[in-house]
Amino acid sequence: GENVEQHPSTLSVQEGDSAVIKCTYSDSASNYFPWYKQELGKGPQLIIDIRSNVGEKKDQRIAVTLNKTAKHFSLHITETQPEDSAVYFCAASPRRALTFGSGTRLQVQP
Amino acid sequence: DGGITQSPKYLFRKEGQNVTLSCEQNLNHDAMYWYRQDPGQGLRLIYYSQIVNDFQKGDIAEGYSVSREKKESFPLTVTSAQKNPTAFYLCASSIAGGNTEAFFGQGTRLTVV
Repeated sequence: GENVEQHPSTLSVQEGDSAVIKCTYSDSASNYFPWYKQELGKGPQLIIDIRSNVGEKKDQRIAVTLNKTAKHFSLHITETQPEDSAVYFCAASPRRALTFGSGTRLQVQP
Repeated sequence: DGGITQSPKYLFRKEGQNVTLSCEQNLNHDAMYWYRQDPGQGLRLIYYSQIVNDFQKGDIAEGYSVSREKKESFPLTVTSAQKNPTAFYLCASSIAGGNTEAFFGQGTRLTVV
């Protein structure tokens, strides 16, 4: 089955700086790569996703890049704000259900 | 208001007892999923269902059971065979299979006492 690895496990940045989280996946059949944000005690919420026929996607301060050859994808958050502090999960899906990475705790220092 | 509702938010169970977690969606989604989350870890797939009256085991199905008798409901039973049931349980749904956006409920925190 699919295996997703995510790095780093924790990330601390100053407000206004950029943050980058990286994931690799194992199953070349995976074609959908979402990113979720989870706040304490709540369910994850989708923040951006990308499909395998696209190399990059942007939504305001958030962007995701995908390298199918290397089987890795990354989340980029620019101009970070304190409200960006949360746990972020990447995921990959060949078809049946999402397989998640282990999560990155992002702390944005004011 | 469309969405996924999990209940209860907190649940306490004595060792040796079965307990059922509720998950209801009014999004008219075909697919539903159960994930388990342990502290500091990612989400692990327990069971999933892509259509009514059909469900498949995920990566950690041992000690759990599900049913999918109605499109909008996908209850999860944690049985006494589950050796370490204390965790945060998340239900999700998507319009079709795993390569469509999954919407999550707010979770149920189960504690074995």
